[in-house]
Amino acid sequence: EPEVTQTPSHQVTQMGQEVILRCVPISNHLYFYWYRQILGQKVEFLVSFYNNEISEKSEIFDDQFSVERPDGSNFTLKIRSTKLEDSAMYFCASLRDRDGYTFGSGTRLTVV
Amino acid sequence: GQNIDQPTEMTATEGAIVQINCTYQTSGFNGLFWYQQHAGEAPTFLSYNVLDGLEEKGRFSSFLSRSKGYSYLLLKELQMKDSASYLCAVREPTGGGNKLTFGTGTQLKVEL
Repeated sequence: EPEVTQTPSHQVTQMGQEVILRCVPISNHLYFYWYRQILGQKVEFLVSFYNNEISEKSEIFDDQFSVERPDGSNFTLKIRSTKLEDSAMYFCASLRDRDGYTFGSGTRLTVV
Repeated sequence: GQNIDQPTEMTATEGAIVQINCTYQTSGFNGLFWYQQHAGEAPTFLSYNVLDGLEEKGRFSSFLSRSKGYSYLLLKELQMKDSASYLCAVREPTGGGNKLTFGTGTQLKVEL
C-alpha cells in the first residue's frame, strides 16, 4: 500500500535554529498538508498546499513557517527560528480527491 | 467557530462492543472521518461519512447524522490491539484547502 514518508523521524534542535522537515507524499496525490500534535493535545492543521501554492494556512502558520515543493516528489516544512513551543510531532499528509487522507509516520521535533 | 467534542476516555472489555460518540459544530461540512492513533504513531484512516447513515467496514462501523451534527464509531469484537486513541475529524470546504479539523480524541482502553 502506498505510503507517505517523512524524515527524519526525530530531530533535536537548539532554540533559534532553523529546521527543515521532509516529506515524500504519495505520487498521484494532489493535496498536501502539514499538521502538528503537541504531546497530549489534539492534531492541529498548519497548512495545505495544492497546485504548487499554499491554499490555506492556520493562525499557527506564521512568518516563521514556510513550505516548499522543490521537485516533483518532496514536500518540506521549514521553521526559521525554532521556539520551545514548536516542540511537537509534525505529520505530513496527502490526499488524492475525496477519500481518506494518508498521514506519514511523523517527525518528532524537540527544541531545547 | 469550530467545536468537535468526544469523550476523553473509555474503557471496554475484550470481545465486547463499544460506541464512541462525536458531536460537531463547524462553519462548513464536507465529510467526517474517523482515525485510529496509537501512542507516538501517525493517525490511520478508519472511515469516512459524507451522507447520513451507517458505513460498515469489518469490525468497524461509523454513523453520521448531519442534521444533528453527530457521528459515532462502533467497534465490535474488541481486541486488545484496539486500545488506542480514536480521532473524529471534520472536513471543512473553506479556503480551498479541504482541511481536516480534529477533535481531541477518545482514549480507548480494552481490558481482559
